[in-house]
Amino acid sequence: NAGVMQNPRHLVRRRGQEARLRCSPMKGHSHVYWYRQLPEEGLKFMVYLQKENIIDESGMPKERFSAEFPKEGPSILRIQQVVRGDSAAYFCASSPDGNNEQFFGPGTRLTVL
Amino acid sequence: AQTVTQSQPEMSVQEAETVTLSCTYDTSENNYYLFWYKQPPSRQMILVIRQEAYKQQNATENRFSVNFQKAAKSFSLKISDSQLGDTAMYFCAVPNNAGNMLTFGGGTRLMVKP
Repeated sequence: NAGVMQNPRHLVRRRGQEARLRCSPMKGHSHVYWYRQLPEEGLKFMVYLQKENIIDESGMPKERFSAEFPKEGPSILRIQQVVRGDSAAYFCASSPDGNNEQFFGPGTRLTVL
Repeated sequence: AQTVTQSQPEMSVQEAETVTLSCTYDTSENNYYLFWYKQPPSRQMILVIRQEAYKQQNATENRFSVNFQKAAKSFSLKISDSQLGDTAMYFCAVPNNAGNMLTFGGGTRLMVKP
């Protein structure tokens, strides 16, 4: 059973471009969570999704950020018009039933030039 | 709002010795889990150990154990017989009331010295 997959592992964008981060949860998991980690800090919750639904987006900035988890395919975290402050590691986690245990992917490191 | 505090930004320990990392938290829930995650230089988040709050017995996983003090809302991690591969950032995490997100502490950077 493969773990949580994220791609790309590293992403470089210039200011104003769009960044798309992908997350494939573990097999059988229908709950996905996105977290952001700034340098030298802990992870901060962004958004929680189940298939086709956003359950909690309280940690996600209101502008430029969006997330989806379609019926088919990976979950996508999309950042429009990136700025230097968006540079961070973005982690995806999944769980089978929304209980407390979450399994993390390897993260995507976004660098904005 | 959930808060998780790790008061030791950095710690070091000699190989084969024991070290304890502290964590305190605030939650209004009664039944919940608490987690310790390890983040080595590869940045992968690895679950080290979890504790169920309704269980009085402290969780143990090989060289890793916790000292869970529910009334004090304290959840420390003890690493026995430290190994060089234990060098990493360690994060304590607590779920929110709905159980749908984790609140992480700021982390403790542990260095195991040969």
